[in-house]
Amino acid sequence: GAGVSQSPSNKVTEKGKDVELRCDPISGHTALYWYRQRLGQGLEFLIYFQGNSAPDKSGLPSDRFSAERTGESVSTLTIQRTQQEDSAVYLCASRVFGGGSVSYNEQFFGPGTRLTVL
Amino acid sequence: LAKTTQPISMDSYEGQEVNITCSHNNIATNDYITWYQQFPSQGPRFIIQGYKTKVTNEVASLFIPADRKSSTLSLPRVSLSDTAVYYCLVGDIGGTGKLIFGQGTTLQVKP
Repeated sequence: GAGVSQSPSNKVTEKGKDVELRCDPISGHTALYWYRQRLGQGLEFLIYFQGNSAPDKSGLPSDRFSAERTGESVSTLTIQRTQQEDSAVYLCASRVFGGGSVSYNEQFFGPGTRLTVL
Repeated sequence: LAKTTQPISMDSYEGQEVNITCSHNNIATNDYITWYQQFPSQGPRFIIQGYKTKVTNEVASLFIPADRKSSTLSLPRVSLSDTAVYYCLVGDIGGTGKLIFGQGTTLQVKP
């Protein structure tokens, strides 16, 4: 596809269950980011992948959160033992790493997955 | 990363020019200024980026004074479809490139 896709678009789960959120970045984009957006708030950085480098996990709020990425393709964000405060929209973005254009570091966002923890 | 301050909300009418100013007093030498737009139920979308002086594209203009401690996003002749949240971000576009978002400015365009 032409853009970043995410699935599912909506996920309702019960407290304590595990969830997996998927992100398909734009083909050729080596950098991939996960963000969380609570209602009415700005985005919070969660994790960053770049090629085969170790991911930057500095934004993960707890050890219940983890993410994987296979090469330069699909990424999965996993939240274990979900809590009500995990309810938010989870956004994935990708970009071309490096380059010299004016819009260096332009990130392309997917539509997000709206997670509701009951 | 430099902290930014922008108005929480703004109202405008169709056809008017809208200017949203962002303060970033602690901007560093390597920092760029980037603006994103977010519609409800969508991910943010890149609008414009600059380092100094003025940048213009088909969507907006970005004015940056010589001291770079603030910037102004200018939207010419807004329409109802420009109603969105506008985020000002400041940071080094090298490295990881992770974006630090504030609350943004909610622009409401009225008929």
